[in-house]
Amino acid sequence: AQSVTQLDSHVSVSEGTPVLLRCNYSSSYSPSLFWYVQHPNKGLQLLLKYTSAATLVKGINGFEAEFKKSETSFHLTKPSAHMSDAAEYFCVVSDPSGTYKYIFGTGTRLKVLA
Amino acid sequence: DAGVIQSPRHEVTEMGQEVTLRCKPISGHNSLFWYRQTMMRGLELLIYFNNNVPIDDSGMPEDRFSAKMPNASFSTLKIQPSEPRDSAVYFCASREGAGTDTQYFGPGTRLTVL
Repeated sequence: AQSVTQLDSHVSVSEGTPVLLRCNYSSSYSPSLFWYVQHPNKGLQLLLKYTSAATLVKGINGFEAEFKKSETSFHLTKPSAHMSDAAEYFCVVSDPSGTYKYIFGTGTRLKVLA
Repeated sequence: DAGVIQSPRHEVTEMGQEVTLRCKPISGHNSLFWYRQTMMRGLELLIYFNNNVPIDDSGMPEDRFSAKMPNASFSTLKIQPSEPRDSAVYFCASREGAGTDTQYFGPGTRLTVL
């Protein structure tokens, strides 16, 4: 069975400092992994996606994530936080059993301090 | 591309009333998903359509909930009768096809049942 764990429910960083949002997954198959961002009162926006083409995935707005099979991790990073990055971030694994249903993490709320 | 379109964006109704939420998927997408998001339960998949056919409705909470997809460009989620515990944000997402896995989300409908 697939599962995903976001290790921090809340993360606070100062503007201009690096961001690290942690995600670990469990999958019996080669997973597809995603990060989505949800700003207040908005829908989920795709940040980036891993599908085995490259372990380091670059996304929008300066975010990137590295797939580490040995650690079963897919952490999201950004070198320098901006105030507009304040949002909730979801790590998602896709169930490749045929339906490709999403399994969501519980979310990490990122706060950016001025 | 207009993205996934949902209407209404906000709905306030009284307990016992019928509520209908609407979704227009991205043109050319063959799969459609309805989700519910609450603070307590996070994101829950309610139902999944492929080529307008319901494939998995195991997440539909009870018989008060029903969903239809009469054609490739329109889906509805109906609650009758509505109850206060149905208050949540309802998201629609679409996907290009059953062999792909990236879902694109609409802005959501915030439902409040008084």
